[in-house]
Amino acid sequence: QKEVEQDPGPLSVPEGAIVSLNCTYSNSAFQYFMWYRQYSRKGPELLMYTYSSGNKEDGRFTAQVDKSSKYISLFIRDSQPSDSATYLCASSYGGATNKLIFGTGTLLAVQP
Amino acid sequence: DVKVTQSSRYLVKRTGEKVFLECVQDMDHENMFWYRQDPGLGLRLIYFSYDVKMKEKGDIPEGYSVSREKKERFSLILESASTNQTSMYLCASSSGLSQETQYFGPGTRLLVL
Repeated sequence: QKEVEQDPGPLSVPEGAIVSLNCTYSNSAFQYFMWYRQYSRKGPELLMYTYSSGNKEDGRFTAQVDKSSKYISLFIRDSQPSDSATYLCASSYGGATNKLIFGTGTLLAVQP
Repeated sequence: DVKVTQSSRYLVKRTGEKVFLECVQDMDHENMFWYRQDPGLGLRLIYFSYDVKMKEKGDIPEGYSVSREKKERFSLILESASTNQTSMYLCASSSGLSQETQYFGPGTRLLVL
């Protein structure tokens, strides 16, 4: 079993839809949770970052972590064609070397 | 803004060649990482370094080596390139603080013929 599991998609939604992207993880020692966005042929860029359980909101994006069920979510409101990308979830124990464990990524297409 | 740069965006090499991929970060970060990314497999850690001249193997180090002679620069070396090393290679860096995450470069797409 992979430590971080993510549905690869692809996920196709119409413009303006609410998008829900999800990951599960197996190691209860993970403390930090991230979402990266990766456009085609580019490097991943950090989108959202949360510590432990709870919600974090940034504009149209909300990240949610439920440590009791080991579930990580990213919600995108009013989705735009420019949101079309691969979304990677990642988890970390923290610590000085801060190694990340990544999901395989979900490919999202927002249709105009 | 954190900036991580990689020496090449695209590379084409022949089987058996020695290949050098270079990564430079400008944020005085302690940690640097090399990943490869393949469809369906996600990002897999090859090597990482937590200090100058220090390195640790990641999940898939076979066929690779690394060098970190200066804090800002981390090189990935393919000693004898093989076709199964055709991939997207991503470099990342992070500070030594627990709460800080990794910042990625633009990637190098390597094709080994």
